Amino acid sequence: AQSVTQPDIHITVSEGASLELRCNYSYGATPYLFWYVQSPGQGLQLLLKYFSGDTLVQGIKGFEAEFKRSQSSFNLRKPSVHWSDAAEYFCAVGPGYSSASKIIFGSGTRLSIRP
Amino acid sequence: EAGVTQFPSHSVIEKGQTVTLRCDPISGHDNLYWYRRVMGKEIKFLLHFVKESKQDESGMPNNRFLAERTGGTYSTLKVQPAELEDSGVYFCASSQDIYNEQFFGPGTRLTVL
Repeated sequence: AQSVTQPDIHITVSEGASLELRCNYSYGATPYLFWYVQSPGQGLQLLLKYFSGDTLVQGIKGFEAEFKRSQSSFNLRKPSVHWSDAAEYFCAVGPGYSSASKIIFGSGTRLSIRP
Repeated sequence: EAGVTQFPSHSVIEKGQTVTLRCDPISGHDNLYWYRRVMGKEIKFLLHFVKESKQDESGMPNNRFLAERTGGTYSTLKVQPAELEDSGVYFCASSQDIYNEQFFGPGTRLTVL
């Protein structure tokens, strides 16, 4: 069955510190992978996506993610966080080469920033 | 260009009442999706329209939920009668096709008392 696991429910980091949010997936074929962010009162915004090619993907707001097929992981990173990065982050898979169109989300990781 | 809009932003109803949520997709997007997030859990797919046709409604929880997309433009999601477990945030998304990015609306927070 297709699934996405985000093992960290809540993470707190200091402003200026580096960040890594973990994501593992289970998918029958080559997945399309996404990271979304939801800031308070806002909708889901796409940070970055991986379809194929270079396994290190650059996104908006200085975020990047690395696809590691051997580990079934797609971790999100940022070298230096800003207070405005406080939000909830969702890893997701799909739609891929199948006819399925739905996106499967992880349970989310809430990021807090310590001044 | 306007993004995906949803109305209302927040709805509070009592158990047994009816609520209708509305989604206006980005103009020209044939694909429209409904998702919901219940009790801080993962966001789950409900259904997918291509124009006015239901392409996939495998995520609809039960027959108390009715989604429509008249004329292939905006969509409504009706919950009748609402139960306590229906509380959550309902998201709508749209895309040009199923291989392109889904753009999400801000969501409707539904509270059933």
